[in-house]
Amino acid sequence: QSALTQPASVSGSPGQSITISCTGTSSDVGGYNHVSWFQQHPGKAPKLMIYDVTNRPSEISNRFSGSKSGNTASLTISGLQAEDEADYYCSSYTTSGTWVFGGGTKLTVL
Amino acid sequence: EVQLVESGGGLVQPGGSLRLSCAASGLTFSTYWMHWVRQAPGKGLVWVSRINSDGSSTNYADSVKGRFTISRDNAKNTLYLQMNSLRAEDTAVYYCARVPKTTLFDLWGRGTLVTVSS
Repeated sequence: QSALTQPASVSGSPGQSITISCTGTSSDVGGYNHVSWFQQHPGKAPKLMIYDVTNRPSEISNRFSGSKSGNTASLTISGLQAEDEADYYCSSYTTSGTWVFGGGTKLTVL
Repeated sequence: EVQLVESGGGLVQPGGSLRLSCAASGLTFSTYWMHWVRQAPGKGLVWVSRINSDGSSTNYADSVKGRFTISRDNAKNTLYLQMNSLRAEDTAVYYCARVPKTTLFDLWGRGTLVTVSS
């Protein structure tokens, strides 16, 4: 159950777009369309942003989108805003019937 | 208000035990799969365990298998995590989460801090 691989940090200026990658294996990310993304602000509980690779809960802005190619999933945030600065985590269901998270990516809005 | 509230965290010595609770309100608790996820101080999220809606099926991360037990009491709208043989590396904030669909972790509690130290 190795953690999914995410970049430690990404940054962008307000209004720009950024993409965070999440790399796993054929036993998790590549095996199912069961990848989710979470946003976490300091001291707060995680918040679901994307589920099942591309689906967005109704309350989440359409500036957030998800995709997947092979063993790598991606979260794209367009029109960056100051409040997007947070930690982001991916997660995937696995062939073992368990779930695994990525190590997390710190997004800095310059 | 729909919410999950964890409790039961605290300071425990290595080798000790602790039982966490997650009280659900404002939702039909008995229809949902539930999960525990933890986060060590300054570290990332780590999946711990899940239980199906009637409690008949469970899964665990390798790091806690054989030491932790997830359970639920649908009559009390409460999820539990019994943690035995605790180690320093179990120190973390423990969150419970509602998961209506495989990756739809749509409702989280605020977490409860477990500190394992002598």
